[in-house]
Amino acid sequence: AQSVTQLDSQVPVFEEAPVELRCNYSSSVSVYLFWYVQYPNQGLQLLLKYLSGSTLVESINGFEAEFNKSQTSFHLRKPSVHISDTAEYFCAVGTMLIQGAQKLVFGQGTRLTINP
Amino acid sequence: KAGVTQTPRYLIKTRGQQVTLSCSPISGHRSVSWYQQTPGQGLQFLFEYFSETQRNKGNFPGRFSGRQFSNSRSEMNVSTLELGDSALYLCASSSGRKPNTEAFFGQGTRLTVV
Repeated sequence: AQSVTQLDSQVPVFEEAPVELRCNYSSSVSVYLFWYVQYPNQGLQLLLKYLSGSTLVESINGFEAEFNKSQTSFHLRKPSVHISDTAEYFCAVGTMLIQGAQKLVFGQGTRLTINP
Repeated sequence: KAGVTQTPRYLIKTRGQQVTLSCSPISGHRSVSWYQQTPGQGLQFLFEYFSETQRNKGNFPGRFSGRQFSNSRSEMNVSTLELGDSALYLCASSSGRKPNTEAFFGQGTRLTVV
């Protein structure tokens, strides 16, 4: 079985400061890793994903995450945050089941609050 | 390209009633998954359908059921509603085939049971 642990339930930071949201996973099989963002009263939006290849993945809005297999981690980072980054962030592990079926296991989420 | 559409957005039901939620996936996607989001339990996988067949199921009681139609639209049904069923229900669509594993989520249906 897979599990995901997001180590911080809330992270407050000041605008333009760097931020790291931590995510650790456990799995006995190869996994795909995702970060999703959820704004108030909205669904989930994919921020970035690791499927294979380069362990450093980037999003178009300045976030990046690095897959570390030995530490079973997939931490999300941004060098300088903006007020608009205020949201809840979810780390997820996906495993391919039969014939392409996928089940996502989510962490409990990290609420990122940006203070001016 | 239209995104994943869930209807209705908000719903209020009474204990003991049943409810049906609808999800229209992205055009061309054949896999639809359902998730329940609550403050206490977070996001939990309910089930996944592909080409009208349930391929995987989470750990929810039999009161939670679903189906998928030939046009890939999916419905989720909850019978004999309980207060604890109050949640945001999210639907996600994907191609359902390797190697594309990206899931696109709808905005969800907020169900309140009173």
